[in-house]
Amino acid sequence: SQTIHQWPATLVQPVGSPLSLECTVEGTSNPNLYWYRQAAGRGLQLLFYSVGIGQISSEVPQNLSASRPQDRQFILSSKKLLLSDSGFYLCAWRANWEGTNTEAFFGQGTRLTVV
Amino acid sequence: AQKVTQAQTEISVVEKEDVTLDCVYETRDTTYYLFWYKQPPSGELVFLIRRNSFDEQNEISGRYSWNFQKSTSSFNFTITASQVVDSAVYFCALSVSGANNLFFGTGTRLTVIP
Repeated sequence: SQTIHQWPATLVQPVGSPLSLECTVEGTSNPNLYWYRQAAGRGLQLLFYSVGIGQISSEVPQNLSASRPQDRQFILSSKKLLLSDSGFYLCAWRANWEGTNTEAFFGQGTRLTVV
Repeated sequence: AQKVTQAQTEISVVEKEDVTLDCVYETRDTTYYLFWYKQPPSGELVFLIRRNSFDEQNEISGRYSWNFQKSTSSFNFTITASQVVDSAVYFCALSVSGANNLFFGTGTRLTVIP
């Protein structure tokens, strides 16, 4: 069966510090991978998605970047965090089946607080 | 452009009451998919259902049921005989054929009072 791992679960970082959140998927190959952010009390905002190694699409211009160094690894980074980067970050994967839109499966999330 | 509207921000019901969560979507695509997710206090989004635009049959799964009506662009979710464990934020989402994104509504926070 497929599983998705995301870490760390919580993180408190000072303004201006770097960020690296990691997500890995097991039990599937060539998944579509996603990073979402959920601000307090709000919906999910898509930040990045990737359909393959090294292929990153950005949905919102921001202080963050993403990379996919391996098929099942997706990393969210920042060189200098802002207060506005605080939020709940969720990684997700979807099966890459042409002709149908499968459901996404989510990791447990990382709660980031920038202080 | 795609859009999902969940007009109900918060709903509170007493245990054993039925509750319906509304979802209205917008898309010009004729092939699309609708989803419901549950986000319990732990934060992880749990997939509940996927429905494609060519299948308007309503679905029932235990205490959960979904009413898909293309005529009103709605995909409503009903919980029958609610329980405290149903307390969560529920998200409706839309994906169009050939696109990689899932468009989420802003969610409805359901509180079931014992």
